[in-house]
Amino acid sequence: GEDVEQSLFLSVREGDSSVINCTYTDSSSTYLYWYKQEPGAGLQLLTYIFSNMDMKQDQRLTVLLNKKDKHLSLRIADTQTGDSAIYFCAERPNAGNMLTFGGGTRLMVKP
Amino acid sequence: KAGVTQTPRYLIKTRGQQVTLSCSPISGHRSVSWYQQTPGQGLQFLFEYFSETQRNKGNFPGRFSGRQFSNSRSEMNVSTLELGDSALYLCASSQRTGGPGELFFGEGSRLTVL
Repeated sequence: GEDVEQSLFLSVREGDSSVINCTYTDSSSTYLYWYKQEPGAGLQLLTYIFSNMDMKQDQRLTVLLNKKDKHLSLRIADTQTGDSAIYFCAERPNAGNMLTFGGGTRLMVKP
Repeated sequence: KAGVTQTPRYLIKTRGQQVTLSCSPISGHRSVSWYQQTPGQGLQFLFEYFSETQRNKGNFPGRFSGRQFSNSRSEMNVSTLELGDSALYLCASSQRTGGPGELFFGEGSRLTVL
């Protein structure tokens, strides 16, 4: 079955890099997403990666995918206080738009 | 370009009542999917509509239903509300169903059941 796991909490200092990790189990999943959620808000799409890719970079964000270990990571360079939020990874099969979400990682950035 | 619009943003109902939530997708998007977010269960998929047809359904009781109109706007309905239905209901908009693509979420409708 499908199961997406994330660590609950990450604390970093402003200016450092943050790495948020995610593992998934569904071998048929082909798209993996990262979303950001701030208090009281909806989900903001950060980036997504296709499962035949190893890496995707978009400004301060770098996504790494290890297909063998079913491990996905999101690296945020030069983390700012405005990056404090909950980050969700999600997987989606090729057919349909059903996302399976992890439980979310709360990122706290200390000044 | 307007984003995904969900109405109402906040609402309070009592047990046994029913509620209808609305989602207007991004212009040109034909897929709308719905999610329930609670502290205990996290984000769970409810259903997806594409071209007025339900494409996928999550593991929720029949009290949860939805529909999509010809202009791609979607509504979801919850009947006979229970306390456990208190949640943030999010909808996601996408151009297509399946294949490569971005799914954009609205700000959600926060339902409180008393």
